[in-house]
Amino acid sequence: SQTIHQWPATLVQPVGSPLSLECTVEGTSNPNLYWYRQAAGRGLQLLFYSVGIGQISSEVPQNLSASRPQDRQFILSSKKLLLSDSGFYLCAWRAGQGARETQYFGPGTRLLVL
Amino acid sequence: AQSVSQHNHHVILSEAASLELGCNYSYGGTVNLFWYVQYPGQHLQLLLKYFSGDPLVKGIKGFEAEFIKSKFSFNLRKPSVQWSDTAEYFCAVIPSGSARQLTFGSGTQLTVLP
Repeated sequence: SQTIHQWPATLVQPVGSPLSLECTVEGTSNPNLYWYRQAAGRGLQLLFYSVGIGQISSEVPQNLSASRPQDRQFILSSKKLLLSDSGFYLCAWRAGQGARETQYFGPGTRLLVL
Repeated sequence: AQSVSQHNHHVILSEAASLELGCNYSYGGTVNLFWYVQYPGQHLQLLLKYFSGDPLVKGIKGFEAEFIKSKFSFNLRKPSVQWSDTAEYFCAVIPSGSARQLTFGSGTQLTVLP
């Protein structure tokens, strides 16, 4: 069965420091992968998605970037964190094809920027 | 662009009460619809989904949702809630087309009092 992992689970970082969040998927090949952010009291906002190695689409302009160095690895990064980057970051992978696709989520990383 | 509205931000019920959480979306084409649940301290889980066919969809833990196309709605229901249903509930929509972007509502926090 497919599983999705995120690391770390919790992170506290100072403003201006770099960031690297990792997402890995097991049990599937060439999945579509997604990064979402869930800010307190708000819904999930799609940040990036990737349909394959090296292919990244950005949904909103921001301080973050994403990379897909391997088929089942998706990285969320920042060179200099802002206070507004605090939030809960969720990685997801897509199961199914076309009209029957479903996204499944990882456990998330809670990021607090101080 | 499509949007998803969950008008109830926080719902408080007593155990055994009936639940209905509203979800409306704005998109004129064919859509796939989802409800996700996030229990305290846990990751986002798929509760149920609608792709086509019977507009009344049954999910896990006794939840169901009804797709009413004319009202652009996909309300979540449960006849009798339990304390363990305390969680945040998210409605999500994805157009059955080329966009392939899952759009989430802002979420409804359900608190069930014992």
